Amino acid sequence: DAKTTQPNSMESNEEEPVHLPCNHSTISGTDYIHWYRQLPSQGPEYVIHGLTSNVNNRMASLAIAEDRKSSTLILHRATLRDAAVYYCILPIDTGTASKLTFGTGTRLQVTL
Amino acid sequence: DTAVSQTPKYLVTQMGNDKSIKCEQNLGHDTMYWYKQDSKKFLKIMFSYNNKELIINETVPNRFSPKSPDKAHLNLHINSLELGDSAVYFCASSHAFPGQGYEQYFGPGTRLTVT
Repeated sequence: DAKTTQPNSMESNEEEPVHLPCNHSTISGTDYIHWYRQLPSQGPEYVIHGLTSNVNNRMASLAIAEDRKSSTLILHRATLRDAAVYYCILPIDTGTASKLTFGTGTRLQVTL
Repeated sequence: DTAVSQTPKYLVTQMGNDKSIKCEQNLGHDTMYWYKQDSKKFLKIMFSYNNKELIINETVPNRFSPKSPDKAHLNLHINSLELGDSAVYFCASSHAFPGQGYEQYFGPGTRLTVT
């Protein structure tokens, strides 16, 4: 099963762009790359996911390397509300289904 | 409207008791999940149901029994509660599984404290 590697923590200034990296060098050709975040005292929140092409939505952009061995979550203008733990996840095949396995993620601090 | 809701939000009980946590989703999803987040903040999947059928059953003590009366509901019943069961339990739902490219939506969590 493919695993992901993320920095433990990152800091950003408010209203600056944030680039959160994720390495997944053992990714397979059919693995989707999922990003979730968890704000303090809240449940995890879906951010974005992609397979091969870069993806954009109202929350963020996902840039996927051409060889798919890494990806970057881009928050275009960080706000204090974006302070959270961000998880980069490759679903694990269970045979009959697939599941998300949350690692330790990247804790993003946003300062004024 | 809340997409995925859980009740209760907080649950404080004594060792040995039996308790239930309820989850409802109004998203029309076919798949629902239970996750446990312990005091060290590790989030782990416990169960997954698809169309009311148990699909994923991680290594969880059999004191934990999920029940899905219909596709919109997934309840978690815990027998003979132990101190180690203290955690935050999250319910989630999705159209299908993440390996197929589907995102999950999580509830607000139920904080269970066993004394």
